[in-house]
Amino acid sequence: GQNIDQPTEMTATEGAIVQINCTYQTSGFNGLFWYQQHAGEAPTFLSYNVLDGLEEKGRFSSFLSRSKGYSYLLLKELQMKDSASYLCAVRDSNYQLIWGAGTKLIIKP
Amino acid sequence: ETGVTQTPRHLVMGMTNKKSLKCEQHLGHNAMYWYKQSAKKPLELMFVYSLEERVENNSVPSRFSPECPNSSHLFLHLHTLQPEDSALYLCASSQELAGGTDTQYFGPGTRLTVL
Repeated sequence: GQNIDQPTEMTATEGAIVQINCTYQTSGFNGLFWYQQHAGEAPTFLSYNVLDGLEEKGRFSSFLSRSKGYSYLLLKELQMKDSASYLCAVRDSNYQLIWGAGTKLIIKP
Repeated sequence: ETGVTQTPRHLVMGMTNKKSLKCEQHLGHNAMYWYKQSAKKPLELMFVYSLEERVENNSVPSRFSPECPNSSHLFLHLHTLQPEDSALYLCASSQELAGGTDTQYFGPGTRLTVL
């Protein structure tokens, strides 16, 4: 079966750096997405990786290793507003998105 | 504002009621999706429409009935639901059905509680 694993919850301190990992086992691979979802709000797109390596976008970066079935989202200079759930999703060979359960990130002052 | 709106935002219904969820996208997209989001579980894809035609039905119980009258509107008709159907129902849209960096844009969801 297809599976996406990510930690259920993480805690970090304001101003620090946090890395949220995602491992996947899917039928084929056509890209990996990260979304941010604040409580009670819509998921919003953060990043897309289809080739190995690091994609940087401001304070957020996303890394992909296709051979290891692994990605991470790196958040730098954490702010209180970064408290949210972070969803990892992989597009499989049928171009269907397979979703992880999300990682709830708690930022403490 | 993501360009995808959903109404109502909250809905409480009994098991014998009939209600409908509405989704509207203002992005000119061709594909629309219904997802179910339960606490601590992955998003579950329920239905996919492309150019107003249903292309995906992931073994969803018949008490959920989708309707896509045009490329901007999507409905989810609900009847004789069960308490385990209580969840956040998310609508999303994308430019095309698949491929490339095409991302899905989500609405804020309808929080459904079935008593």
